[in-house]
Amino acid sequence: AQTVTQSQPEMSVQEAETVTLSCTYDTSESDYYLFWYKQPPSRQMILVIRQEAYKQQNATENRFSVNFQKAAKSFSLKISDSQLGDAAMYFCAYRSLTQKLVFGQGTRLTINP
Amino acid sequence: DAGVIQSPRHEVTEMGQEVTLRCKPISGHNSLFWYRQTMMRGLELLIYFNNNVPIDDSGMPEDRFSAKMPNASFSTLKIQPSEPRDSAVYFCGTAPGGTAGNTIYFGEGSWLTVV
Repeated sequence: AQTVTQSQPEMSVQEAETVTLSCTYDTSESDYYLFWYKQPPSRQMILVIRQEAYKQQNATENRFSVNFQKAAKSFSLKISDSQLGDAAMYFCAYRSLTQKLVFGQGTRLTINP
Repeated sequence: DAGVIQSPRHEVTEMGQEVTLRCKPISGHNSLFWYRQTMMRGLELLIYFNNNVPIDDSGMPEDRFSAKMPNASFSTLKIQPSEPRDSAVYFCGTAPGGTAGNTIYFGEGSWLTVV
Protein backbone atom coordinates (compact mmCIF):
# COMPACT_ATOMS: atom_id res chain seq x y z
CA ALA A 1 0.00 0.00 0.00
CA GLN A 2 1.11 3.49 -0.72
CA THR A 3 2.12 5.69 2.18
CA VAL A 4 2.78 9.41 2.43
CA THR A 5 5.02 10.89 5.11
CA GLN A 6 5.27 14.49 6.19
CA SER A 7 8.09 14.67 8.69
CA GLN A 8 7.44 18.22 9.87
CA PRO A 9 4.37 18.42 12.16
CA GLU A 10 4.83 22.19 12.46
CA MET A 11 6.67 24.91 10.60
CA SER A 12 6.82 28.66 11.00
CA VAL A 13 8.06 31.44 8.76
CA GLN A 14 8.28 35.19 8.82
CA GLU A 15 5.86 37.03 6.59
CA ALA A 16 7.33 37.67 3.12
CA GLU A 17 9.95 34.93 3.48
CA THR A 18 10.12 31.53 1.82
CA VAL A 19 9.31 28.20 3.42
CA THR A 20 9.58 24.62 2.19
CA LEU A 21 7.36 21.80 3.40
CA SER A 22 8.64 18.25 2.98
CA CYS A 23 6.84 15.17 1.75
CA THR A 24 8.01 11.69 0.87
CA TYR A 25 5.98 8.77 -0.36
CA ASP A 26 6.36 5.09 -0.90
CA THR A 27 5.06 3.33 -3.99
CA SER A 28 5.96 0.64 -6.48
CA GLU A 29 3.95 2.29 -9.23
CA SER A 30 5.54 4.32 -12.00
CA ASP A 31 2.50 6.39 -12.92
CA TYR A 32 0.67 8.43 -10.32
CA TYR A 33 -0.25 11.95 -9.28
CA LEU A 34 0.76 14.10 -6.34
CA PHE A 35 -1.12 16.94 -4.71
CA TRP A 36 -0.77 19.52 -2.00
CA TYR A 37 -3.95 20.57 -0.22
CA LYS A 38 -4.36 23.45 2.21
CA GLN A 39 -6.75 23.27 5.17
CA PRO A 40 -7.34 26.64 6.86
CA PRO A 41 -9.13 26.91 10.21
CA SER A 42 -12.45 26.71 8.36
CA ARG A 43 -11.52 23.04 7.74
CA GLN A 44 -12.22 23.13 4.03
CA MET A 45 -9.71 21.20 1.90
CA ILE A 46 -8.40 23.44 -0.87
CA LEU A 47 -6.18 22.28 -3.71
CA VAL A 48 -2.89 24.17 -3.85
CA ILE A 49 -0.98 22.40 -6.60
CA ARG A 50 -0.76 19.08 -8.47
CA GLN A 51 2.02 17.18 -10.23
CA GLU A 52 1.92 14.36 -12.74
CA ALA A 53 4.62 11.77 -12.09
CA TYR A 54 5.38 11.41 -15.79
CA LYS A 55 6.28 15.08 -16.06
CA GLN A 56 9.83 16.07 -15.17
CA GLN A 57 8.99 19.75 -15.00
CA ASN A 58 8.04 20.95 -11.55
CA ALA A 59 4.57 22.42 -11.20
CA THR A 60 4.13 26.05 -10.21
CA GLU A 61 1.08 28.09 -9.21
CA ASN A 62 1.90 31.72 -8.52
CA ARG A 63 3.81 31.78 -5.21
CA PHE A 64 3.59 28.00 -4.83
CA SER A 65 5.98 25.57 -6.48
CA VAL A 66 7.09 22.01 -5.96
CA ASN A 67 10.37 20.16 -6.08
CA PHE A 68 9.49 16.73 -7.44
CA GLN A 69 12.25 14.14 -7.20
CA LYS A 70 10.79 10.93 -8.59
CA ALA A 71 13.77 8.69 -7.89
CA ALA A 72 13.92 9.88 -4.31
CA LYS A 73 10.11 9.76 -4.00
CA SER A 74 10.12 13.28 -2.67
CA PHE A 75 7.58 16.04 -3.30
CA SER A 76 8.24 19.25 -1.38
CA LEU A 77 6.18 22.43 -1.50
CA LYS A 78 7.83 25.84 -1.60
CA ILE A 79 5.85 28.92 -0.64
CA SER A 80 7.48 32.17 -1.66
CA ASP A 81 6.68 35.60 -0.24
CA SER A 82 4.64 34.04 2.58
CA GLN A 83 1.44 35.84 3.49
CA LEU A 84 -0.67 35.74 6.63
CA GLY A 85 -3.40 33.99 4.66
CA ASP A 86 -1.08 31.08 3.98
CA ALA A 87 -1.36 29.96 7.61
CA ALA A 88 -3.03 26.55 7.54
CA MET A 89 -2.49 22.81 7.69
CA TYR A 90 -0.89 21.53 4.51
CA PHE A 91 -1.44 17.96 3.36
CA CYS A 92 0.58 16.12 0.79
CA ALA A 93 -1.42 13.48 -1.08
CA TYR A 94 -0.75 10.65 -3.52
CA ARG A 95 -3.25 9.36 -6.04
CA SER A 96 -2.67 6.05 -7.75
CA LEU A 97 -4.21 4.76 -10.92
CA THR A 98 -6.74 2.91 -8.76
CA GLN A 99 -7.89 6.45 -7.98
CA LYS A 100 -7.48 6.29 -4.22
CA LEU A 101 -6.11 9.49 -2.69
CA VAL A 102 -3.80 8.88 0.27
CA PHE A 103 -2.92 11.77 2.57
CA GLY A 104 0.09 12.48 4.73
CA GLN A 105 -0.27 13.49 8.36
CA GLY A 106 -0.10 17.19 7.62
CA THR A 107 2.17 20.12 8.48
CA ARG A 108 0.83 23.07 10.43
CA LEU A 109 2.26 26.29 8.97
CA THR A 110 2.36 29.46 11.05
CA ILE A 111 3.14 32.83 9.52
CA ASN A 112 4.78 35.32 11.86
CA PRO A 113 4.01 38.97 11.12
CA ASP B 1 -20.49 26.55 -10.52
CA ALA B 2 -21.50 25.21 -7.14
CA GLY B 3 -18.90 23.13 -5.38
CA VAL B 4 -19.42 19.94 -3.44
CA ILE B 5 -22.26 20.52 -1.00
CA GLN B 6 -22.35 18.69 2.30
CA SER B 7 -24.97 18.73 5.02
CA PRO B 8 -25.25 19.12 7.89
CA ARG B 9 -22.21 21.32 8.58
CA HIS B 10 -22.36 20.50 12.27
CA GLU B 11 -24.23 17.83 14.18
CA VAL B 12 -24.26 16.92 17.82
CA THR B 13 -26.03 13.68 18.63
CA GLU B 14 -26.33 11.26 21.49
CA MET B 15 -24.66 7.89 21.50
CA GLY B 16 -26.88 5.25 19.94
CA GLN B 17 -28.66 7.61 17.57
CA GLU B 18 -28.61 7.28 13.81
CA VAL B 19 -26.63 9.89 11.89
CA THR B 20 -26.99 10.60 8.19
CA LEU B 21 -24.50 12.78 6.35
CA ARG B 22 -25.30 13.98 2.86
CA CYS B 23 -23.29 14.99 -0.16
CA LYS B 24 -24.19 16.58 -3.48
CA PRO B 25 -21.33 16.26 -5.98
CA ILE B 26 -20.27 18.80 -8.54
CA SER B 27 -22.37 18.34 -11.65
CA GLY B 28 -20.65 16.03 -14.11
CA HIS B 29 -18.34 14.45 -11.55
CA ASN B 30 -18.81 10.72 -11.44
CA SER B 31 -16.29 9.75 -8.79
CA LEU B 32 -17.24 10.36 -5.17
CA PHE B 33 -15.17 9.82 -2.05
CA TRP B 34 -15.99 9.84 1.67
CA TYR B 35 -13.14 10.66 4.06
CA ARG B 36 -13.00 10.92 7.84
CA GLN B 37 -10.60 13.25 9.64
CA THR B 38 -9.58 12.80 13.28
CA MET B 39 -6.63 14.05 15.28
CA MET B 40 -5.41 10.54 15.96
CA ARG B 41 -5.78 8.97 12.51
CA GLY B 42 -5.64 11.93 10.14
CA LEU B 43 -7.56 11.71 6.87
CA GLU B 44 -8.84 8.23 6.11
CA LEU B 45 -10.65 7.09 2.99
CA LEU B 46 -13.84 5.32 3.98
CA ILE B 47 -15.37 4.47 0.61
CA TYR B 48 -15.46 5.66 -2.95
CA PHE B 49 -17.88 5.34 -5.85
CA ASN B 50 -17.47 5.45 -9.61
CA ASN B 51 -20.64 6.02 -11.62
CA ASN B 52 -22.72 5.43 -8.48
CA VAL B 53 -21.15 2.01 -7.88
CA PRO B 54 -19.09 1.40 -4.72
CA ILE B 55 -15.57 0.48 -5.82
CA ASP B 56 -13.70 0.17 -2.55
CA ASP B 57 -15.27 0.16 0.89
CA SER B 58 -12.32 -1.36 2.70
CA GLY B 59 -11.95 1.76 4.81
CA MET B 60 -15.43 1.55 6.29
CA PRO B 61 -14.68 0.89 9.95
CA GLU B 62 -17.46 -1.54 10.76
CA ASP B 63 -21.00 -2.58 10.04
CA ARG B 64 -22.37 0.47 11.79
CA PHE B 65 -21.25 2.50 8.77
CA SER B 66 -22.99 2.37 5.42
CA ALA B 67 -22.86 4.54 2.31
CA LYS B 68 -25.10 4.80 -0.70
CA MET B 69 -25.15 6.67 -3.95
CA PRO B 70 -28.64 6.20 -5.41
CA ASN B 71 -27.98 8.60 -8.29
CA ALA B 72 -25.29 10.80 -9.77
CA SER B 73 -26.26 13.82 -7.71
CA PHE B 74 -26.58 12.46 -4.19
CA SER B 75 -24.75 10.30 -1.68
CA THR B 76 -25.28 9.50 1.99
CA LEU B 77 -23.07 8.19 4.75
CA LYS B 78 -25.00 6.66 7.60
CA ILE B 79 -23.85 5.66 11.06
CA GLN B 80 -26.19 3.49 13.10
CA PRO B 81 -25.82 3.33 16.04
CA SER B 82 -23.39 6.17 16.58
CA GLU B 83 -20.64 6.04 19.21
CA PRO B 84 -18.43 8.76 20.75
CA ARG B 85 -15.42 7.45 18.81
CA ASP B 86 -17.23 8.36 15.58
CA SER B 87 -16.76 12.03 16.41
CA ALA B 88 -14.81 13.50 13.50
CA VAL B 89 -15.04 15.71 10.46
CA TYR B 90 -16.43 13.81 7.48
CA PHE B 91 -15.48 15.06 4.04
CA CYS B 92 -17.07 14.29 0.73
CA GLY B 93 -14.93 14.78 -2.37
CA THR B 94 -15.76 14.41 -6.03
CA ALA B 95 -13.80 14.25 -9.27
CA PRO B 96 -14.44 13.82 -12.96
CA GLY B 97 -14.08 10.18 -13.84
CA GLY B 98 -11.78 8.51 -16.31
CA THR B 99 -8.35 9.22 -14.90
CA ALA B 100 -6.67 9.28 -11.53
CA GLY B 101 -5.06 12.56 -12.48
CA ASN B 102 -8.26 14.48 -12.08
CA THR B 103 -8.30 16.61 -8.98
CA ILE B 104 -10.64 15.68 -6.14
CA TYR B 105 -12.61 18.68 -4.92
CA PHE B 106 -13.90 18.58 -1.39
CA GLY B 107 -16.91 19.96 0.39
CA GLU B 108 -16.65 21.97 3.58
CA GLY B 109 -17.08 18.88 5.72
CA SER B 110 -19.61 17.71 8.27
CA TRP B 111 -18.43 18.09 11.85
CA LEU B 112 -19.95 15.28 13.91
CA THR B 113 -19.89 15.13 17.69
CA VAL B 114 -21.34 12.10 19.43
CA VAL B 115 -21.87 12.54 23.16
